[in-house]
Amino acid sequence: EAGVAQSPRYKIIEKRQSVAFWCNPISGHATLYWYQQILGQGPKLLIQFQNNGVVDDSQLPKDRFSAERLKGVDSTLKIQPAKLEDSAVYLCASSLDLRGNEQFFGPGTRLTVL
Amino acid sequence: AQKVTQAQTEISVVEKEDVTLDCVYETRDTTYYLFWYKQPPSGELVFLIRRNSFDEQNEISGRYSWNFQKSTSSFNFTITASQVVDSAVYFCALSEEGGGNKLTFGTGTQLKVEL
Repeated sequence: EAGVAQSPRYKIIEKRQSVAFWCNPISGHATLYWYQQILGQGPKLLIQFQNNGVVDDSQLPKDRFSAERLKGVDSTLKIQPAKLEDSAVYLCASSLDLRGNEQFFGPGTRLTVL
Repeated sequence: AQKVTQAQTEISVVEKEDVTLDCVYETRDTTYYLFWYKQPPSGELVFLIRRNSFDEQNEISGRYSWNFQKSTSSFNFTITASQVVDSAVYFCALSEEGGGNKLTFGTGTQLKVEL
């Protein structure tokens, strides 16, 4: 069974530029999550989708971050404009549903903002 | 609000030693789930175990074992006869039934196993 796929693996941009990350979850997983992991910390949830609807985006900085999951499968996370403090690893995860099932994580995208 | 505390920032052991990673959690829900994930240097989070709040049985999987104690709100992880390949950051995490499966992670424990 294929795992969660993410691209790109690494991205370096200047502050105020925009960037987009892509995620393809495990086939059949209805729930998709985007986490931000700053160096030395645990992952923090940014946004959670159930199929193509948003379940929780309370910690997403909506003035600069946006995410979509149009057909209930792939998802993109965008940052525009980027700030220095956005430097982090962005992790995508998926689970079967919302009922306490384990989440499976992709390899992440390491973003460096200069 | 849910919270997970991993007080041990870094642990160093010599290969073949046993090591226990501590995890203490806070939640107001009666139904919740506890997890352990491993993050090796490659960066990918690897799922190790899931426990629900109604199942306090300890679990053993090879060299790994987990001790869940609701009375002390702890979910500790022990590696027996540690190996160099166990070197990684280990995260404990919590989700609440009423929280839509959102995971709250601890700050992680860096385990270094040396020869």
